[in-house]
Amino acid sequence: NAGVTQTPKFRVLKTGQSMTLLCAQDMNHEYMYWYRQDPGMGLRLIHYSVGEGTTAKGEVPDGYNVSRLKKQNFLLGLESAAPSQTSVYFCATLRPGSYEQYFGPGTRLTVT
Amino acid sequence: GNSVTQMEGPVTLSEEAFLTINCTYTATGYPSLFWYVQYPGEGLQLLLKATKADDKGSNKGFEATYRKETTSFHLEKGSVQVSDSAVYFCALSHQGAQKLVFGQGTRLTINP
Repeated sequence: NAGVTQTPKFRVLKTGQSMTLLCAQDMNHEYMYWYRQDPGMGLRLIHYSVGEGTTAKGEVPDGYNVSRLKKQNFLLGLESAAPSQTSVYFCATLRPGSYEQYFGPGTRLTVT
Repeated sequence: GNSVTQMEGPVTLSEEAFLTINCTYTATGYPSLFWYVQYPGEGLQLLLKATKADDKGSNKGFEATYRKETTSFHLEKGSVQVSDSAVYFCALSHQGAQKLVFGQGTRLTINP
């Protein structure tokens, strides 16, 4: 089992460009999350999903959109990238009946 | 709202030293508390958890006790190893463990 995978691992964008980050999981988990990690600020929740076809806003949703068309995939989109979106992005899933979240390896995004 | 505050880092210790990383929280109700660890270049992994007051979570020689009276969940280890070098995050559950609130993280470096 691959667990949680993220694509791409690294990306550099120019201001105003768009991109989509892909999160894929093979554990059949219902809940999926997108976080961003910035120095000195821990992880902050961007959006999350409680199942296929559902999405909800987290703590810092502005400038991002998400979709969960298939249970195993959770996509994070940036329509018009800004330098403030330079960060490391982590996807996670929640193991049913527990409090444990499983994290992917992260995507390092730089917006110039 | 709910929040988590960790001691400022970075923390540098010698091998076999005693470790304490402080964590305090603010929350309504009775949250569950967690410590996650992030090794270099990887995503976060659950290290230990406690779901009610006076519970002690433990794993890999690390321990933390849920202290409701002091709203704390300090991480301790009696004798650290070089392999413990990582970033440690304290977190609490939100909305019945469907969402996590993270502290800012504490970078720990252990020198041989």
